[in-house]
Amino acid sequence: DGGITQSPKYLFRKEGQNVTLSCEQNLNHDAMYWYRQDPGQGLRLIYYSQIVNDFQKGDIAEGYSVSREKKESFPLTVTSAQKNPTAFYLCASSLFREQDQPQHFGDGTRLSIL
Amino acid sequence: AQKVTQAQTEISVVEKEDVTLDCVYETRDTTYYLFWYKQPPSGELVFLIRRNSFDEQNEISGRYSWNFQKSTSSFNFTITASQVVDSAVYFCALNPGTYKYIFGTGTRLKVLA
Repeated sequence: DGGITQSPKYLFRKEGQNVTLSCEQNLNHDAMYWYRQDPGQGLRLIYYSQIVNDFQKGDIAEGYSVSREKKESFPLTVTSAQKNPTAFYLCASSLFREQDQPQHFGDGTRLSIL
Repeated sequence: AQKVTQAQTEISVVEKEDVTLDCVYETRDTTYYLFWYKQPPSGELVFLIRRNSFDEQNEISGRYSWNFQKSTSSFNFTITASQVVDSAVYFCALNPGTYKYIFGTGTRLKVLA
């Protein structure tokens, strides 16, 4: 079955540590996205990528970094510069050239501070 | 400005009641797309429906129905005869024809047995 796989499901970060969240899709989608969800808030866009080797900052990119070396993969690194990383992180993908298409989402990664 | 407002933070209903979730959007674009997603406790967002700005037909799918009114910039979602399994957070989203999907803050629906 096609879909988006995020790992790990739960992640703990120590002070000053960088951590990387994995996102893999086998839907052959062009665009991939990372969102952050805090309690009682909507989804806020961190980064997005339309094609391989290209990505753009979203609304809250500070303290995060991404790469898009393969169409299937869009890992997110939460750096030590992100002072409040505790949140639920969702990865999504869509057919970029078809804006009427919905985004498909992974199951999410819950990141907490140790 | 482009924005999606879901004014209802949380709604509680008793099973079998009908419930309407409100969504109001803002955009200056003439071509845009609206979506509803369901987020069950497991966390992933599940796509429910898509509507483009040129299609104001209402839609019914089983117990779910959607009312799109451009005149009031609203895209409301009604669940008829609610069930406990409908308990989730529901998000309305706008795509104004770009890469970006703009989400509302979500409405948490609790259906009590």
